[in-house]
Amino acid sequence: AQRVTQPEKLLSVFKGAPVELKCNYSYSGSPELFWYVQYSRQRLQLLLRHISRESIKGFTADLNKGETSFHLKKPFAQEEDSAMYYCALRGGSGGAQKLVFGQGTRLTINP
Amino acid sequence: DVKVTQSSRYLVKRTGEKVFLECVQDMDHENMFWYRQDPGLGLRLIYFSYDVKMKEKGDIPEGYSVSREKKERFSLILESASTNQTSMYLCASTAGTGVNYGYTFGSGTRLTVV
Repeated sequence: AQRVTQPEKLLSVFKGAPVELKCNYSYSGSPELFWYVQYSRQRLQLLLRHISRESIKGFTADLNKGETSFHLKKPFAQEEDSAMYYCALRGGSGGAQKLVFGQGTRLTINP
Repeated sequence: DVKVTQSSRYLVKRTGEKVFLECVQDMDHENMFWYRQDPGLGLRLIYFSYDVKMKEKGDIPEGYSVSREKKERFSLILESASTNQTSMYLCASTAGTGVNYGYTFGSGTRLTVV
């Protein structure tokens, strides 16, 4: 079974401080992992995916298969980073390629 | 740019009513999904469809059904609405499987059942 756990419902940091949003997953196969973000009054959108190894808006995330984690990090938080963040996993094959989401972490950046 | 449009932003319905939530995408995507979003629970998959007239149950299908008569439209049906179905409902679509196909979400329908 696929499972994604985000242990922190709320995270509050000061502007300029480092941010780390935790994500752990459970999946027996080779996972595809994503981070989605939802800013206030906007629709949910893709932030980044593990396969791309990219940095988006200063955020990075590294897949650690040994620890089954995909934590999202940013060295210097900005106020515009305040949003709801969801970690998601896609597994299965064929028609069963569905996204399973974690519970979400609400990130607040204080000025 | 792909657009996923949900017909209503807010809905208020009475207990026992039959409720239809509509979702339309304009980019010929194969796969469509319905999630509900609740604080502390994240997004939970209700139903999905990977082709016209095809549907599969997600993690929480009880009390819901779906219809996909045309490729661009995926409807979520609450046969007899109950107060515990008060939630934000999100529709999503994707062109195919694989890591290069991200999901595109609609803006959501906030349903209140009274």
